[in-house]
Amino acid sequence: AQKITQTQPGMFVQEKEAVTLDCTYDTSDPSYGLFWYKQPSSGEMIFLIYQGSYDQQNATEGRYSLNFQKARKSANLVISASQLGDSAMYFCAMREGGAGGTSYGKLTFGQGTILTVHP
Amino acid sequence: DVKVTQSSRYLVKRTGEKVFLECVQDMDHENMFWYRQDPGLGLRLIYFSYDVKMKEKGDIPEGYSVSREKKERFSLILESASTNQTSMYLCASTVGGRSYEQYFGPGTRLTVT
Repeated sequence: AQKITQTQPGMFVQEKEAVTLDCTYDTSDPSYGLFWYKQPSSGEMIFLIYQGSYDQQNATEGRYSLNFQKARKSANLVISASQLGDSAMYFCAMREGGAGGTSYGKLTFGQGTILTVHP
Repeated sequence: DVKVTQSSRYLVKRTGEKVFLECVQDMDHENMFWYRQDPGLGLRLIYFSYDVKMKEKGDIPEGYSVSREKKERFSLILESASTNQTSMYLCASTVGGRSYEQYFGPGTRLTVT
């Protein structure tokens, strides 16, 4: 079974509008972490935001927020006020096990969603 | 700033050649990773290392080996390159802490002909 599922191969959004990129995950470990990375066409992976499974509040980093619904096992990324520079591939990823444990920080990635921002 | 560098951005090799991909990080990170990225499959973990000379298989280790002789350097080796190893290879490192955020190198696009 897929541990991380991103069901949207591609998304389009108008500049200045908000967009939500979907991510669902599957784990039986009570301690885990969820990440979003951005990969522009240049290829580098840019860390955007992190949510720990025990975090009480949804994570936010500037225009990025993570809509964490633990019971639904979803961790959607919300980008507010989209900019042309947001056009990129976006990956959701999960670390199973707590930070400091024997997971060593291994990540499992979803398939990715290509976001295109239109002017 | 953390810096993770990879020896080549683009590489073209012939089937059967031995290929070395090198990754260096400058932040004294303990854990290092090699992923391959293919369209529609995301990133898949090939191998990782949590200390010098220590390594563990990831999800797709077949056809690959790794070497970590120094803490800052983690090499991926294709013993006998095949066309199905044509891919983008990404190296990452992490030191732990609250999130174990991974820092990635720029990637090596390998073509095996």
